[in-house]
Amino acid sequence: KNEVEQSPQNLTAQEGEFITINCSYSVGISALHWLQQHPGGGIVSLFMLSSGKKKHGRLIATINIQEKHSSLHITASHPRDSAVYICAVGRGAQKLVFGQGTRLTINP
Amino acid sequence: DAGVIQSPRHEVTEMGQEVTLRCKPISGHDYLFWYRQTMMRGLELLIYFNNNVPIDDSGMPEDRFSAKMPNASFSTLKIQPSEPRDSAVYFCASSDSAGGQGYGYTFGSGTRLTVV
Repeated sequence: KNEVEQSPQNLTAQEGEFITINCSYSVGISALHWLQQHPGGGIVSLFMLSSGKKKHGRLIATINIQEKHSSLHITASHPRDSAVYICAVGRGAQKLVFGQGTRLTINP
Repeated sequence: DAGVIQSPRHEVTEMGQEVTLRCKPISGHDYLFWYRQTMMRGLELLIYFNNNVPIDDSGMPEDRFSAKMPNASFSTLKIQPSEPRDSAVYFCASSDSAGGQGYGYTFGSGTRLTVV
């Protein structure tokens, strides 16, 4: 079993829909990262969470440390949100362990 | 800061040739990581350094892979000899153990390696 599990693996939605991507992990961590990767592109860090909730524009990330679970939400989704979203867990500034990613496609 | 800088962006080489990937981390960051991304296995850690010292190289596939960090502003990942199964995107990342938002965890743009 992978240390970091994401669901769903693939998600297709219509523009404007509310999107939720889930991440569960099985190891003790100090922080959880949500990353975004566009096709053929680099990796951008969206959020780092150690507790609670963070919001940036239309993106919201939450984490429940007791349940070892995090969610990434996108409100009013747009085709430019189409990308692979990767959950990664780590300890402080040290190495990350990655989920397999969720491929999101938003159709106009 | 220009971010984490990797070179080359793309590399096509013949099987058996030596390949050297380069990375310049963000100034002041004390951790440097080399990751590999493939369709089959996703993102995997190869090796990471703290203050230029290799800490964990358990992800290095085999002796054909080696990494160095001669100073705080430069690291190389070398594959010799290269094989087709080494084809992947190689990412370098750096971070700051001093803390703060996200520890400054930043990825480079990656090097897409194709071994034919």
